[in-house]
Amino acid sequence: DTGVSQNPRHKITKRGQNVTFRCDPISEHNRLYWYRQTLGQGPEFLTYFQNEAQLEKSRLLSDRFSAERPKGSFSTLEIQRTEQGDSAMYLCASSTTGGVSEAFFGQGTRLTVV
Amino acid sequence: AQSVAQPEDQVNVAEGNPLTVKCTYSVSGNPYLFWYVQYPNRGLQFLLKYITGDNLVKGSYGFEAEFNKSQTSFHLKKPSALVSDSALYFCAVRPNNNDMRFGAGTRLTVKP
Repeated sequence: DTGVSQNPRHKITKRGQNVTFRCDPISEHNRLYWYRQTLGQGPEFLTYFQNEAQLEKSRLLSDRFSAERPKGSFSTLEIQRTEQGDSAMYLCASSTTGGVSEAFFGQGTRLTVV
Repeated sequence: AQSVAQPEDQVNVAEGNPLTVKCTYSVSGNPYLFWYVQYPNRGLQFLLKYITGDNLVKGSYGFEAEFNKSQTSFHLKKPSALVSDSALYFCAVRPNNNDMRFGAGTRLTVKP
């Protein structure tokens, strides 16, 4: 399967713990995006990378959230000191930079903070 | 601000009937508009996009969308609905060819 891969698919953590999610984009895609989706809502933009550079970060993103893409391939999203409000589906997507290209999404990581 | 709105939370149609899922947009400059579908426990799947040119855009699974500049709309349509089309549909806009902004989604239910 050459689509966008996200791990883990599900994560249950206790409030206050740190969690890290991984995203492997489609190999030839140099743009990578992170979104958060809660029940009944559309995906909310968090941040995006072009190669290893983080070009944009949502102002809604707490300082507890950090994302990296060190070699311009896979990316990690870390949430420190998790809160119950962080419970959501975290989606990763990737795209090319040529033209106005569509983004391809992974299946997401469902985070539950208890 | 660049955004899209989906005025209907839920759309119900009978199998075989035409379906329309509505989307309106608010953008400055040229709008780059997209439709995605989300099935249970699966990621968002791309259906179609409008960049420029023909106002009627054809996409996957028999879906099409009509771009209407005067009404600032980009409604998703299908001539004959299938039960398997039941899913969550999202309209999105991509301002400045950077991040993508999504609507809240419309749940389509096709009844046999």
